[in-house]
Amino acid sequence: DTGVSQNPRHKITKRGQNVTFRCDPISEHNRLYWYRQTLGQGPEFLTYFQNEAQLEKSRLLSDRFSAERPKGSFSTLEIQRTEQGDSAMYLCASSLLGGGRVTEAFFGQGTRLTVV
Amino acid sequence: AQRVTQPEKLLSVFKGAPVELKCNYSYSGSPELFWYVQYSRQRLQLLLRHISRESIKGFTADLNKGETSFHLKKPFAQEEDSAMYYCAPLGAAGNKLTFGGGTRVLVKP
Repeated sequence: DTGVSQNPRHKITKRGQNVTFRCDPISEHNRLYWYRQTLGQGPEFLTYFQNEAQLEKSRLLSDRFSAERPKGSFSTLEIQRTEQGDSAMYLCASSLLGGGRVTEAFFGQGTRLTVV
Repeated sequence: AQRVTQPEKLLSVFKGAPVELKCNYSYSGSPELFWYVQYSRQRLQLLLRHISRESIKGFTADLNKGETSFHLKKPFAQEEDSAMYYCAPLGAAGNKLTFGGGTRVLVKP
């Protein structure tokens, strides 16, 4: 599968625990995005990377959230001290910026987080 | 502030009937506009982008800069069109997509 891959697909955790999700983008894509989606809502932007640089973070991203893309390839999203309100589908997407244009964003299947 | 509005949460039509999904946006500059679709148990995927001016699966979308709208239309809906549809402008410098709340389309036989 050469598409965007996310792991794990599902995560159930107890409130207060830390969780980490991984995203493997399409290999030649230099942009990587994280979104969060709750039931009945469209995806909400969290953050994005251009290669290894984190260029923008949403105000939705509290101090408990941190994202990295250390080598400009895969990315991780960590949530510390999880709360029930963090329960959502976390989506990763990637695209290619080149020649002043951005290709369409390709999405992964998401990681569904349930905080109990 | 950047805002995308999809006023219909649910559109239910019969097979063969026309369907139109509304999208209005409030955005600085001239964003590029996309429609994404999510079929049951599948990942979010691109349906069409306005600069390509293509018709995908019979769908077309008209950008009206004066009304800041980008409505999606199909003259004859099919059952396989049942899905969630999201309108999404791409911000300045192509930084990120901002999604509307989505419209669920249900095409009845």
